[in-house]
Amino acid sequence: DAKTTQPPSMDCAEGRAANLPCNHSTISGNEYVYWYRQIHSQGPQYIIHGLKNNETNEMASLIITEDRKSSTLILPHATLRDTAVYYCIVRSRRQGGSEKLVFGKGTKLTVNP
Amino acid sequence: NAGVMQNPRHLVRRRGQEARLRCSPMKGHSHVYWYRQLPEEGLKFMVYLQKENIIDESGMPKERFSAEFPKEGPSILRIQQVVRGDSAAYFCASSARVVLTGELFFGEGSRLTVL
Repeated sequence: DAKTTQPPSMDCAEGRAANLPCNHSTISGNEYVYWYRQIHSQGPQYIIHGLKNNETNEMASLIITEDRKSSTLILPHATLRDTAVYYCIVRSRRQGGSEKLVFGKGTKLTVNP
Repeated sequence: NAGVMQNPRHLVRRRGQEARLRCSPMKGHSHVYWYRQLPEEGLKFMVYLQKENIIDESGMPKERFSAEFPKEGPSILRIQQVVRGDSAAYFCASSARVVLTGELFFGEGSRLTVL
């Protein structure tokens, strides 16, 4: 699976959009981009995933560049409860074999009042 | 539909004792993953199991650690002769048909403290 690079920490004001970047320059054609987050001491929580088209759900939007070498997770109106470590993970969805997620260090997002 | 259930949530053991951590996946899920998170560190993959089979144990320490996922009942992560370095949060995740969704559902973790 391709390696990802994320800034170690970011700050965001409550109510504003939080834009979390991720670089995955070695991503291959069959690899998806996944985002998870871990709120302090809790289990990780799935947010969103995508292949090449932009995706949106009730939690966030995922913008993937045309060359797929980077992506941005957008939390449109950040709240204090969005303070967490956000993980960008690249993984293939091939049938068979190990489907494990490999977590990096992530970005510690702090939403400030 | 209950989520992934892990127990115990907190476990205290003395050095040399055994620790057993249990994970009941979401209903209908037959894939289970175990991760370990040391204090102030990231999540490290340990093992991936399907019913009665270990698929990937590349993250499991070679000694003292074992995992199973029997046909009936929860998945068990067993740590024999625990040492202080085993103190960590152990998270279990489950998924259904991995190829279709790619999404893992995590439990709230079991926190092991070794005295």
